[in-house]
Amino acid sequence: DTAVSQTPKYLVTQMGNDKSIKCEQNLGHDTMYWYKQDSKKFLKIMFSYNNKELIINETVPNRFSPKSPDKAHLNLHINSLELGDSAVYFCASSQEGQGCYTFGSGTRLTVV
Amino acid sequence: GENVEQHPSTLSVQEGDSAVIKCTYSDSASNYFPWYKQELGKGPQLIIDIRSNVGEKKDQRIAVTLNKTAKHFSLHITETQPEDSAVYFCAASHRDDKIIFGKGTRLHILP
Repeated sequence: DTAVSQTPKYLVTQMGNDKSIKCEQNLGHDTMYWYKQDSKKFLKIMFSYNNKELIINETVPNRFSPKSPDKAHLNLHINSLELGDSAVYFCASSQEGQGCYTFGSGTRLTVV
Repeated sequence: GENVEQHPSTLSVQEGDSAVIKCTYSDSASNYFPWYKQELGKGPQLIIDIRSNVGEKKDQRIAVTLNKTAKHFSLHITETQPEDSAVYFCAASHRDDKIIFGKGTRLHILP
């Protein structure tokens, strides 16, 4: 299936731990994103990568570090997790110049 | 930077009636306005979009209108059905690599 797939779907972890979320797209898109959706459903962009290069880095704590080993993958590593990091994280991709995003199904992160 | 306001935050509509969701944007340079539908437990999915050189676009039961002068755009859903129940997001962009979302409208279709 052509899609944006992210793993894991659910992640429950304790405060202070380090965790990673992986994202892969097989759509041939050259731009990938991470969005955070809080409990009120607000969607806020965190990072954007184009052909493995960081092009958008919103005001996000430096405990969050994206890594793009190739243009089909964009992983998100989070250090020293805090309660406020609990949210649903969405990966998305798009083709440069087209603006239409394809989203993954989300990773629900719960920090306890 | 761009700011997108979306109203209402919640909308309940009788099945078969029409639903309208309205958005305003702040950056006059914005030229691309997509609408996304998010069903429970899923990621947002593009349902329709419009570019600034067009005032209206229709796809079956959904339509979007754009007023560039007033910086308003709206989503219209006619003959609503139970499967239309979801959260809808408007968005605006003048750079394809960064779209700014509204805060969402939770649409309930009442039987």
